[in-house]
Amino acid sequence: EAQVTQNPRYLITVTGKKLTVTCSQNMNHEYMSWYRQDPGLGLRQIYYSMNVEATDKGDVPEGYKVSRKEKRNFPLILESPSPNQTSLYFCASSLERGGYEQYFGPGTRLTVT
Amino acid sequence: AQSVSQHNHHVILSEAASLELGCNYSYGGTVNLFWYVQYPGQHLQLLLKYFSGDPLVKGIKGFEAEFIKSKFSFNLRKPSVQWSDTAEYFCAVRSWGKLQFGAGTQVVVTP
Repeated sequence: EAQVTQNPRYLITVTGKKLTVTCSQNMNHEYMSWYRQDPGLGLRQIYYSMNVEATDKGDVPEGYKVSRKEKRNFPLILESPSPNQTSLYFCASSLERGGYEQYFGPGTRLTVT
Repeated sequence: AQSVSQHNHHVILSEAASLELGCNYSYGGTVNLFWYVQYPGQHLQLLLKYFSGDPLVKGIKGFEAEFIKSKFSFNLRKPSVQWSDTAEYFCAVRSWGKLQFGAGTQVVVTP
């Protein structure tokens, strides 16, 4: 089944404790992206990757890192999480940067206390 | 600055009522337009998209949208909603390779 998977689905952590949210897709998509969803703000892009070893900042990259060492995986790293990073995070992938439909993962709800 | 605006944040309507959700964007040039739906507790799913051609596009679950270039609009419609249409709806615009989402409209359909 074609899908985007994220882990964990729910995470509660404390300020400053490094964490990684994994994202994997099995559709051989070149383009992958991370979004955060906050009430009243819709989805805002954090980082995106057009292919392996090619990543770039989205609209709200501060406090986040990503890597793309393999085509299928695109982990999101929070080196020192803060409470303002409490949010719902979605990973997405598509054949190319935006010309095709993006497939979304199930979401990761992160709470930073 | 480029932006995507959804007119209503919350809409409440009864089953069988008609639904129309507004979406306006401020991009110039060629755009690709999308409507996504997010059912409670689920991830976003594509409802429909417009790239070119007939400005009236039909999507899944009886939804349709009309692209009006002169008004920079891409409004979503459904003639008769069902309780199962309760969800959050997002308009998205792609321009110069970048995809930007509106803030979303929460739709509640009452039995």
